[in-house]
Amino acid sequence: NAGVMQNPRHLVRRRGQEARLRCSPMKGHSHVYWYRQLPEEGLKFMVYLQKENIIDESGMPKERFSAEFPKEGPSILRIQQVVRGDSAAYFCASSTKHQASTDTQYFGPGTRLTVL
Amino acid sequence: QQPVQSPQAVILREGEDAVINCSSSKALYSVHWYRQKHGEAPVFLMILLKGGEQKGHEKISASFNEKKQQSSLYLTASQLSYSGTYFCGTFTGNQFYFGTGTSLTVIP
Repeated sequence: NAGVMQNPRHLVRRRGQEARLRCSPMKGHSHVYWYRQLPEEGLKFMVYLQKENIIDESGMPKERFSAEFPKEGPSILRIQQVVRGDSAAYFCASSTKHQASTDTQYFGPGTRLTVL
Repeated sequence: QQPVQSPQAVILREGEDAVINCSSSKALYSVHWYRQKHGEAPVFLMILLKGGEQKGHEKISASFNEKKQQSSLYLTASQLSYSGTYFCGTFTGNQFYFGTGTSLTVIP
């Protein structure tokens, strides 16, 4: 049973380019969370999605960042016009169902984004 | 809203014990514990759902005091493989908040 998959594992972009990060949840999981981790810091919640729905995006910057989880295919976190401050590790996590307080999240290996 | 952990960092010799504390200024309905090794993804350790609940996983166990809004992670007879950063976390609505983290280093 494959775990959560993320690609690419490493991504280098120049300032102003777009970054697309992909996350395939574990089989049977329909809930996806995205987190950002700056160097030497903890993980910060960005967005929570179910299939075809954004449930909570309050942790995501309102400009340049967007996320989707289509009916078919992986969840995508998109960062437009990247800046150096976007350099970080981006992790996604998936779970089977969302009940208040009881979700167990399983994390993917992360995408390390470097903006030159 | 971010849970606060203490200590921030701890160094142990193999075989020693450690306690990591997690406290929240908001009501805690559940506490999740993760371990993250450098450059890797967080790995789920355990979840505590009820006040007073205690759980164990080999030599790693945890307790949850709902009234005090605190949880503690206990590592006994530490092994080199226990090194990493430990995070507690909790849901507030749809958002999951990780704690401030505790860096644990086990040396021979």
